[in-house]
Amino acid sequence: NAGVTQTPKFQVLKTGQSMTLQCAQDMNHNSMYWYRQDPGMGLRLIYYSASEGTTDKGEVPNGYNVSRLNKREFSLRLESAAPSQTSVYFCASSPRKNTEAFFGQGTRLTVV
Amino acid sequence: RKEVEQDPGPFNVPEGATVAFNCTYSNSASQSFFWYRQDCRKEPKLLMSVYSSGNEDGRFTAQLNRASQYISLLIRDSKLSDSATYLCVVVPGDYKLSFGAGTTVTVRA
Repeated sequence: NAGVTQTPKFQVLKTGQSMTLQCAQDMNHNSMYWYRQDPGMGLRLIYYSASEGTTDKGEVPNGYNVSRLNKREFSLRLESAAPSQTSVYFCASSPRKNTEAFFGQGTRLTVV
Repeated sequence: RKEVEQDPGPFNVPEGATVAFNCTYSNSASQSFFWYRQDCRKEPKLLMSVYSSGNEDGRFTAQLNRASQYISLLIRDSKLSDSATYLCVVVPGDYKLSFGAGTTVTVRA
């Protein structure tokens, strides 16, 4: 009964390093999302994938890239990490548009 | 103006009390509405959907007022375990869920 699985759970990067956050869902959902959560700001959408083969920018896409590898997997890449990208990152999936989303446990990323 | 705005609280209430709070949204075309619960350092979890006619799930009641563009959540007979941050979520009719910054509720013994 895994739902949405994110890896890693914690990561510390140096400024300028790159990394990929992995996300997989086993609920056969069509849509997947990447959000970041910062204190006092709520969750902000970085990128989303409405369906396999499509990706679109959200509210805060700068500094990130995504890949919808297949229906199950949606990865988020930071090419050159910056301290402003220190945040908690959540992956989510939903069965279709206008429906609720289900979240992974989050990745706590610190960029020093 | 933010798409979704919430009173951040905190609402500090004794066990057994009733607590209620609202969330306003800016997009009048919004079609779906939800309340999520988030515990400290955990992922958001769906608490309940909000329907036009209002709906109830145990001690929780959600209401939608489309004319004034707000949704509300009422918690009756508060339990210690209700202490959390409650996130208002609005979907404007596409794939993107917009989140409020959350309302913090603390229930004290």
